[in-house]
Amino acid sequence: AQSVTQLGSHVSVSEGALVLLRCNYSSSVPPYLFWYVQYPNQGLQLLLKYTSAATLVKGINGFEAEFKKSETSFHLTKPSAHMSDAAEYFCAVSDPDFNKFYFGSGTKLNVKP
Amino acid sequence: GAVVSQHPSWVICKSGTSVKIECRSLDFQATTMFWYRQFPKQSLMLMATSNEGSKATYEQGVEKDKFLINHASLTLSTLTVTSAHPEDSSFYICSARDLQGGNSPLHFGNGTRLTVT
Repeated sequence: AQSVTQLGSHVSVSEGALVLLRCNYSSSVPPYLFWYVQYPNQGLQLLLKYTSAATLVKGINGFEAEFKKSETSFHLTKPSAHMSDAAEYFCAVSDPDFNKFYFGSGTKLNVKP
Repeated sequence: GAVVSQHPSWVICKSGTSVKIECRSLDFQATTMFWYRQFPKQSLMLMATSNEGSKATYEQGVEKDKFLINHASLTLSTLTVTSAHPEDSSFYICSARDLQGGNSPLHFGNGTRLTVT
């Protein structure tokens, strides 16, 4: 069985501050992990993915995430938040065959000027 | 990059009518498409997996006679909400799996906002 837990349904940061969105996973097989971003009334856009290669994964828009097996975590970070980063972020896990994706409950990021 | 087109982007219908939502993969073949439902302020809930040329696989608790899925070609899957009721109002998102795509195995449509009055 696979699942992800996102701690914090809402995160608020000031523009220019560090962004940290937390994701912990549970998987009985080596996981593939993803972060997606969703803007209002839109679908999901892939930010980055981990597929058993480098544990530090760099994505679009300056985001990166580090896979830590010992902590079963895949937290998303960005050194300096922009106003345009305000959106909802979803962590997801799938098996290596991409047969099914399981999404976390989402974290809404608010960026204050 | 790969694009998934979902249509319509929003629809309002009366209770008791049926609504069809289309999901098309525009520049790749998708043998598998997924249908998700998203309630306000919640995550995506997988409803069903749509396989080209065969019957869809529904998740537990999803009524297959209520949510009819047809995947007749490698680029098109449709979800029909039959005899819609206000509780069916939700945001429906499709995604398509591109096994040839190097960047992401899942590409998402922009969703359909269904409101049943």
